[in-house]
Amino acid sequence: ETGVTQTPRHLVMGMTNKKSLKCEQHLGHNAMYWYKQSAKKPLELMFVYNFKEQTENNSVPSRFSPECPNSSHLFLHLHTLQPEDSALYLCASSRGRLREKLFFGSGTQLSVL
Amino acid sequence: GDSVTQMEGPVTLSEEAFLTINCTYTATGYPSLFWYVQYPGEGLQLLLKATKADDKGSNKGFEATYRKETTSFHLEKGSVQVSDSAVYFCALSEVDSNSNSGYALNFGKGTSLLVTP
Repeated sequence: ETGVTQTPRHLVMGMTNKKSLKCEQHLGHNAMYWYKQSAKKPLELMFVYNFKEQTENNSVPSRFSPECPNSSHLFLHLHTLQPEDSALYLCASSRGRLREKLFFGSGTQLSVL
Repeated sequence: GDSVTQMEGPVTLSEEAFLTINCTYTATGYPSLFWYVQYPGEGLQLLLKATKADDKGSNKGFEATYRKETTSFHLEKGSVQVSDSAVYFCALSEVDSNSNSGYALNFGKGTSLLVTP
């Protein structure tokens, strides 16, 4: 148990659906992240939030829309996804600027049909 | 830009065998180096780290030495167990002057390790 909880664990959706991924951290951290993990590719950093403010968006398509209502919660809203978006989406948190010590959730395995 | 390169997996070993997973990096400055581990069905966890040249990180019997001259941070364990079966990620962290978050963390592709009884 890392203190970072992601729901759902598995999600199957069609290309026209709208769904949301949720992440919650109980560690008192100020920074939260979304990563995409695809087979045989490096982990891809998608978004970074620091004190609820988005500080990085690494050229992520607009069909992915993050939301950070407070320092403990992070959402990733999904709409009109493509099959190539199927991947494991990992949420992580850290105390602040020291991103080296990341605490990861178990991820949401997303399949887009 | 900064990056890490890991050996391709999967690596299959018998229990009690010696493990080496190679990692080399490219960086413009003086990065910190890490190994993260991902057990099946879980997220990544920090395994060990080293913040300057010649530092040795160690944890749970795993070791890695920061070698600036060869730009390497190879992961080793003298005697692996079945419970070590996981995916191992080498990572690099350096101050990112373009980001007001301060540090960038770049991961390798991961090396899958399977240890058989």
